[in-house]
Amino acid sequence: AQKVTQAQTEISVVEKEDVTLDCVYETRDTTYYLFWYKQPPSGELVFLIRRNSFDEQNEISGRYSWNFQKSTSSFNFTITASQVVDSAVYFCALSVYLSSGSARQLTFGSGTQLTVLP
Amino acid sequence: DVKVTQSSRYLVKRTGEKVFLECVQDMDHENMFWYRQDPGLGLRLIYFSYDVKMKEKGDIPEGYSVSREKKERFSLILESASTNQTSMYLCASSFRNEQFFGPGTRLTVL
Repeated sequence: AQKVTQAQTEISVVEKEDVTLDCVYETRDTTYYLFWYKQPPSGELVFLIRRNSFDEQNEISGRYSWNFQKSTSSFNFTITASQVVDSAVYFCALSVYLSSGSARQLTFGSGTQLTVLP
Repeated sequence: DVKVTQSSRYLVKRTGEKVFLECVQDMDHENMFWYRQDPGLGLRLIYFSYDVKMKEKGDIPEGYSVSREKKERFSLILESASTNQTSMYLCASSFRNEQFFGPGTRLTVL
């Protein structure tokens, strides 16, 4: 069985602060994908990043960066110089093949509500 | 751009009613999914479909059924709505290990 844990339920920061959202996952599969999604107040899930289990290189995209560490089963997300528009719920997710092998299933963490105060 | 649309953003139904939630994708994706989202629980998979007329149960299929008569359309059916099915419902379609989500339907069952 797969599991994704986002221990931080809510985080508040002041604008321009850096913030890291934690994600820890469990799976027995050796091939898997990890994702981060953003859900702004409008409700639509916005894809941020996908990493496969064989690529542990960290990634930076503008103010966003991701730290994938297989040794600790973690895939943490850092926002540098946060802005009010970053306020949203952020979900970490793990993708593995369903037991039937017919498709991949996404297992989501419970989400972290990030509030960036002006 | 991939487009996944859901028939309603908000829906209010009464206990015992039959409810249909419709999802349409325009990118010819084979796989489609229905999730429900509840506070503190994240998104949980209800059902998915990997081809027309094919379906598989997800983690929480009880109280739900699905229909996939055409590749682009995946319907979630609540045969007899109950108050514990009040939730946000999200549809997704997938291509190459990436899932694309619709805007969601917030269903309230009174």
